[in-house]
Amino acid sequence: EVQLVESGGGLVQPGGSLRLSCAASGFTFSTYGMHWVRQAPGKGLEWVSGISDSGGSTIYADSVKGRFTISRDNSKNTLYLQMNSLRAEDTALYYCAKRVGTPRAFDYWGQGTLVTVSS
Amino acid sequence: EIVLTQSPGTLSLSPGERATLSCRASQSVSSSYLAWYQQKPGQAPRLLIYGASSRATGIPDRFSGSGSGTDFTLTVSRLEPEDFAVYYCQHYGSSQYTFGQGTKLEIK
Repeated sequence: EVQLVESGGGLVQPGGSLRLSCAASGFTFSTYGMHWVRQAPGKGLEWVSGISDSGGSTIYADSVKGRFTISRDNSKNTLYLQMNSLRAEDTALYYCAKRVGTPRAFDYWGQGTLVTVSS
Repeated sequence: EIVLTQSPGTLSLSPGERATLSCRASQSVSSSYLAWYQQKPGQAPRLLIYGASSRATGIPDRFSGSGSGTDFTLTVSRLEPEDFAVYYCQHYGSSQYTFGQGTKLEIK
């Protein structure tokens, strides 16, 4: 059974940093692209960032480019999101998601970890 | 940047009825990279359709997707009580993923 479990969320002040983790199990982690998608309270879904299976290629939404860094450790089956220079508008539930190969869709999602940016 | 606009914002229907949800792209997109998701309160999204018309694993055949170019449709042929939720379309292109704003399907 595929499982994705996010952790690392919490309350942080504007300008602060946070590192999210996503522990994966039930599939061969090193052969799939992985992504982060967020959802502000009461709002829709917003794609944040993605990383290739090897970790050699990364992409970011314009809203987080230069502030967030996605990475992965295939030996630990874990995905990360380093978030710096956090803003109030980054407040959201952050999901990690496994990408289906060619169709570029997300077939498995975690339950999310909540990030709140507030003073 | 491609913008996906979903309509209607809210759709009120009764169980057993047919639901038709629309997703319109601001420019022509590849149907290979068009997906639909269902999200219920307090839950993560669930993939329903990928490649515009292929059902994901375990998705009932009352869910179907169609469309090409700029206009895509998710159809639920006969609504079951568990189908009332928010639905999102999503597209990939030019190293960016985009979601529509969502359609809420509510019980009439």
